Amino acid sequence: QKEVEQDPGPLSVPEGAIVSLNCTYSNSAFQYFMWYRQYSRKGPELLMYTYSSGNKEDGRFTAQVDKSSKYISLFIRDSQPSDSATYLCAMTGLVQGAQKLVFGQGTRLTINP
Amino acid sequence: ETGVTQSPTHLIKTRGQQVTLRCSSQSGHNTVSWYQQALGQGPQFIFQYYREEENGRGNFPPRFSGLQFPNYSSELNVNALELDDSALYLCASSIGLAREETQYFGPGTRLLVL
Repeated sequence: QKEVEQDPGPLSVPEGAIVSLNCTYSNSAFQYFMWYRQYSRKGPELLMYTYSSGNKEDGRFTAQVDKSSKYISLFIRDSQPSDSATYLCAMTGLVQGAQKLVFGQGTRLTINP
Repeated sequence: ETGVTQSPTHLIKTRGQQVTLRCSSQSGHNTVSWYQQALGQGPQFIFQYYREEENGRGNFPPRFSGLQFPNYSSELNVNALELDDSALYLCASSIGLAREETQYFGPGTRLLVL
C-alpha cells in the first residue's frame, strides 16, 4: 500500500466549475500537508500549505484536512483554463531525520473553455 | 531573491554512462533535497543535504550519490545508468530541517537514458 494515494485522473471540467481533488494517506506521523501545481515540463509550484485539521482558504483555492480520516482535499472555485495542470498532494514525514516530502501520484486536470 | 535553478534542462545518455546534475538553491536556503519524478508519477525522495552533509535517503541504490558545496549548491550523480533512470530530476531547497519548512522546487532536469 502506498503511503499517499491520489486518483491520477485525468479530470476534465468546464470553465467555472468547482473542482475537488483528494488524497488519502496511511502514516499518522504526517503533520504538514501541501498542494503543489505542476505545469507541463515545469517543477512543482507550492499552492497551499496546512498544518491542522480544518479548512484554509486562499482566493479561489480551499485546502481541507481531516486527520482523523487521513484525508485531504483541494477545492478550486470558478475554475479557469489557466488552472489546467497536474495537482500533487504532498505531506511531510521524517526519514532518518530528513524532512522528506511524500507525494501522491498527481491528478491531471483540464479546464475546458 | 533568486529561485531554485537547475542545469542542464535536458540530457540524453546511454545505458551504463554516468551523469551529473546541478542545482543552485534559493537565496538564504541551506538545505537541498533531490527527487526523481517518473512520467505520470509523483516525485520520489532520493536524498537531502544539509550544510554539506547527507541528511536522509530514500529507497535509491548507492549509485545515486550527491554533494553539497559551501555555497549550498548541490550535485546529483548517477553511475551505471539504467533505462529506468529516465525521469525528471527535481531539486528543492528550504531554509532548515524543521518539518514545517516548505520546500521550493526548481524546474527540473529531464534525463533520457537510451
